[in-house]
Amino acid sequence: KAGVTQTPRYLIKTRGQQVTLSCSPISGHRSVSWYQQTPGQGLQFLFEYFSETQRNKGNFPGRFSGRQFSNSRSEMNVSTLELGDSALYLCASSLVGFTNEKLFFGSGTQLSVL
Amino acid sequence: DQQVKQNSPSLSVQEGRISILNCDYTNSMFDYFLWYKKYPAEGPTFLISISSIKDKNEDGRFTVFLNKSAKHLSLHIVPSQPGDSAVYFCAASAQETSGSRLTFGEGTQLTVNP
Repeated sequence: KAGVTQTPRYLIKTRGQQVTLSCSPISGHRSVSWYQQTPGQGLQFLFEYFSETQRNKGNFPGRFSGRQFSNSRSEMNVSTLELGDSALYLCASSLVGFTNEKLFFGSGTQLSVL
Repeated sequence: DQQVKQNSPSLSVQEGRISILNCDYTNSMFDYFLWYKKYPAEGPTFLISISSIKDKNEDGRFTVFLNKSAKHLSLHIVPSQPGDSAVYFCAASAQETSGSRLTFGEGTQLTVNP
């Protein structure tokens, strides 16, 4: 069974641009979550989608948005990029997103904002 | 407000000895705790978990201890092996949250020296 796939692996953008990151969950998994990892900050929860609906949202500004498609694939978008958005963005999937379900993570998209 | 804290950014141990990684939390609603391991250029992988109804869970060389009154958990690795060198993240979730939402600590870099 293929794991969680994130594309692209690396991305370089400049301030003010927007970016779209993609995530394909493990086949059969319907819950997709996004996390931002920055040095010294651990992983910060962005949002979680289940059945094409945003079910949970973290404390990030409205510039960060996402969506989920009927095949459970998900995208996240960051508009008006700022230098502080440089980070590793991780996607994780689970079957239905119960609180005690373990998450399976992708390798992430490393975003650099210049 | 860092609800899950790992106060040691790094830990170095000799091969064959015990590694003890610590984690503190402040939110009393957290009732499920997990440890993830992360190698460079890879996503985090699930290691072990514990429910708040238990105070210990063991899986091979890995044991997690939970002290609810102190809001503290620890991960013991015995014996430590060079392949265990990675960043370890502690994470917590609350049953009251519908869906998947993990709160992570900042991570501890474990180095096991041969």
